[in-house]
Amino acid sequence: QLQLKESGPGLVKPSETLSVTCTVSGGSINSGSYYWVWIRQSPGKGLEWIGSIYYNGETYYNPSLKSRVTISVDTSKNQFSLKVSSVTAADTAVYYCARDLIEGARRIPREYWGQGTPVTVSS
Amino acid sequence: ETVLTQSPGTLSLSPGERATLSCRASQSVSSNYLAWYQQKPGQAPRLLIYGASTRATGIPDRFSASGSGTDFTLTISRLEPEDFAVYYCQQYGYSRDAFGPGTKVHIK
Repeated sequence: QLQLKESGPGLVKPSETLSVTCTVSGGSINSGSYYWVWIRQSPGKGLEWIGSIYYNGETYYNPSLKSRVTISVDTSKNQFSLKVSSVTAADTAVYYCARDLIEGARRIPREYWGQGTPVTVSS
Repeated sequence: ETVLTQSPGTLSLSPGERATLSCRASQSVSSNYLAWYQQKPGQAPRLLIYGASTRATGIPDRFSASGSGTDFTLTISRLEPEDFAVYYCQQYGYSRDAFGPGTKVHIK
């Protein structure tokens, strides 16, 4: 059974860089069948797609966050990571990782999710 | 950039009733890459529907969905107590990825 688990700092100071990692178990991240995805949810708010990465490093980012976001993959550790630079209180959220399945023209989004890791931006 | 609008914002219903949720996109959703999720407090969202009308693995058949282009609908035929939650629609696919604001279905 595929499992995803986020790990993060919990608390980040304004203007610093937030880093969160997703560890994948029960399956390989090194597959052309999947995109690996970051989503966040601010307190009491809806869901926001941050970006997606393919095993070969191909990335897609939310245009509203693109200038501050970097997503990378480490196939040797079966992990993918998110960095958000120059954070403000608006970046306070629960950060989720998830997996999209690609089969030709068929795409199944976010069938697997991590439990989420809360990150607070505060001095 | 496509914007998704969901209506109503809140739905007050009783167990056993039928729920009809709407999702409208500001532009046509390509390849019907439209999904629906259920989220309960303190939990990650759960995929219900993808491809506008295909139930995800393990989703009961009381959940159904339809639509194409810019107008989509999620129907819960008979609400069970565990169905009271927030429901999100989502356009997905490469850089065209966005969620709607959600519809909260709560017990009347």
